Amino acid sequence: EVQLVESGGGLVQPGGSLRLSCAASGFTFSSYWMSWVRQAPGKGLEWLASIKQDGSEKYYVDSVKGRFTISKDNAKNSLYLQMNSLRAEDTAVYYCAREDHSTYHHWGQGTLVTVSS
Amino acid sequence: EIVMTQSPATLSVSPGERATLSCRASQSVRSNLAWYQQKRGQAPRLLIYGASTRATGIPARFSGSGSGTEFTLTISSLQSEDFAVYYCQQYNNWPPLYTFGQGTKLEIK
Repeated sequence: EVQLVESGGGLVQPGGSLRLSCAASGFTFSSYWMSWVRQAPGKGLEWLASIKQDGSEKYYVDSVKGRFTISKDNAKNSLYLQMNSLRAEDTAVYYCAREDHSTYHHWGQGTLVTVSS
Repeated sequence: EIVMTQSPATLSVSPGERATLSCRASQSVRSNLAWYQQKRGQAPRLLIYGASTRATGIPARFSGSGSGTEFTLTISSLQSEDFAVYYCQQYNNWPPLYTFGQGTKLEIK
């Protein structure tokens, strides 16, 4: 069974940093593109970033370019999102998701990030 | 950026009736369109990809149609568990710049 479990969310002050993790199991992690998608409270879904199977290609939405970094460790079956220079508008539930031909058949349960002073 | 627009924002339908949800793309996405269902407090669930292919385990009452810029999700006979928010997603760009619609809330009439 495919499982994705996010962790690392919490309360952080504006301008601060946070690193999210996503532990994957039940599939060959090194064979899949992975993504981060977020959802602000009461709002819709926003794709943030995707990373190729071997980590050699990474893509970001403009709103997080230069502030967020996606990475993966295939030896640890883990996906990461390093978030710097956080803003109030980054407050959201952050989901990791496995890409299957650019669609998301498997999602984690999400981790809440709150940016507030 | 391709903008996805869903309509209506809220749809009120009685159980057992048909629901039709729309999604429009600001430019052609061919058939690179997916639909997701999200219930309160849960992660989204993939329903349809390739505009019309049901994902694994999705009941036959869910169907998708369309191509180019106009897409439809139809739920043929609403069950109580179908009342949720539905999102469309385009994945036509390369490099990836995936975008979602703003969602349609399907509520009980």
